[in-house]
Amino acid sequence: EPEVTQTPSHQVTQMGQEVILRCVPISNHLYFYWYRQILGQKVEFLVSFYNNEISEKSEIFDDQFSVERPDGSNFTLKIRSTKLEDSAMYFCASNDDSYGYTFGSGTRLTVV
Amino acid sequence: EDKVVQSPLSLVVHEGDTVTLNCSYEVTNFRSLLWYKQEKKAPTFLFMLTSSGIEKKSGRLSSILDKKELFSILNITATQTGDSAVYLCAVANSGGSNYKLTFGKGTLLTVNP
Repeated sequence: EPEVTQTPSHQVTQMGQEVILRCVPISNHLYFYWYRQILGQKVEFLVSFYNNEISEKSEIFDDQFSVERPDGSNFTLKIRSTKLEDSAMYFCASNDDSYGYTFGSGTRLTVV
Repeated sequence: EDKVVQSPLSLVVHEGDTVTLNCSYEVTNFRSLLWYKQEKKAPTFLFMLTSSGIEKKSGRLSSILDKKELFSILNITATQTGDSAVYLCAVANSGGSNYKLTFGKGTLLTVNP
């Protein structure tokens, strides 16, 4: 069964550093998303991406965040200057204009 | 603002019991309601319910959607310890080319042997 692949599975970074979280969505999918889950809290929408541009972003997705699909297969989330409160599990997801969603296994980001 | 409320927040049962998990929602431009099981990491898909499919069943799991009353339930019969997980309910809205999901806080189900 096709999978959404995320790397790394765990990243530790110092406050103020830039991080890039990587995702390889399912190849024939058209819509890509990033969600995050702070420990003990609900899964929250960050951003959706379609046709090489952001289609919607949440209030969380401020100027410190950016997304890119640099080469037609990878989909990245960049956090420019990490803060302690950015520590969370980040999930990438994709779908194909049907109703279902496939999530990746997540990247646990720890900001120290 | 879209809203999803799940109840109960946690539940402890014995193997063999039947459980019912609840999800109520408020969403603009409703497209679908989805149930996920989250064990350690990524949510894994269980069911999707839409206007054209308001009841789904897979093995011991089943779900219904009441679009009039804006809620859904997930039933698990003959529970097993492997059913222990957080069950997430999410609603998708269809704002143009975007299928954003709004999640509830989840129900933590613990099945004891």
